[in-house]
Amino acid sequence: DGGITQSPKYLFRKEGQNVTLSCEQNLNHDAMYWYRQDPGQGLRLIYYSQIVNDFQKGDIAEGYSVSREKKESFPLTVTSAQKNPTAFYLCASSLRGGKNIQYFGAGTRLSVL
Amino acid sequence: SQQGEEDPQALSIQEGENATMNCSYKTSINNLQWYRQNSGRGLVHLILIRSNEREKHSGRLRVTLDTSKKSSSLLITASRAADTASYFCATDDAGGTSYGKLTFGQGTILTVHP
Repeated sequence: DGGITQSPKYLFRKEGQNVTLSCEQNLNHDAMYWYRQDPGQGLRLIYYSQIVNDFQKGDIAEGYSVSREKKESFPLTVTSAQKNPTAFYLCASSLRGGKNIQYFGAGTRLSVL
Repeated sequence: SQQGEEDPQALSIQEGENATMNCSYKTSINNLQWYRQNSGRGLVHLILIRSNEREKHSGRLRVTLDTSKKSSSLLITASRAADTASYFCATDDAGGTSYGKLTFGQGTILTVHP
């Protein structure tokens, strides 16, 4: 069953806490992306990675961190510095150098307690 | 800031009618894509049109691209209740620093009534 798996589906963060969202893909894609979606809004790019051990900031990277130690995995940490973390987080992947068609996971909804 | 702006923000039609949504963008592009998102789910790729193409068809979908006006439209013919979703355009921007990024529009919410 190929695709992108995000977990957990729902996540709650306490004040001052860091939380990590998981994203795993078995599509053998080189590139992976994290987006944030607020209600009624489009997607905003947080971080992206074109290759293992390398990643770049997107448009709204402040308060977030990522790692790319394996091709299959691109976890996102929402740090305590992110003061407004409540949102729907989407992970995507694509073939590097192709048409850049992106394949998305089902998303993680993060709320603040 | 968002590259794409979509119009209308919301569209409500009856089953069997056609639905047209529009997208405008600001910079030169390699291609423009349309994605669909069911409520609370991830996005699914629908169709891609390259910058040197003017029209593309896929099943009940028809996409047009006018690079002189920096705009695209998505037409869904003979709509069904199952087409109810949000639709987003996304541009793969031309230029040396884009690194494969897509820039998404704000989306059009389509409701198809049975």
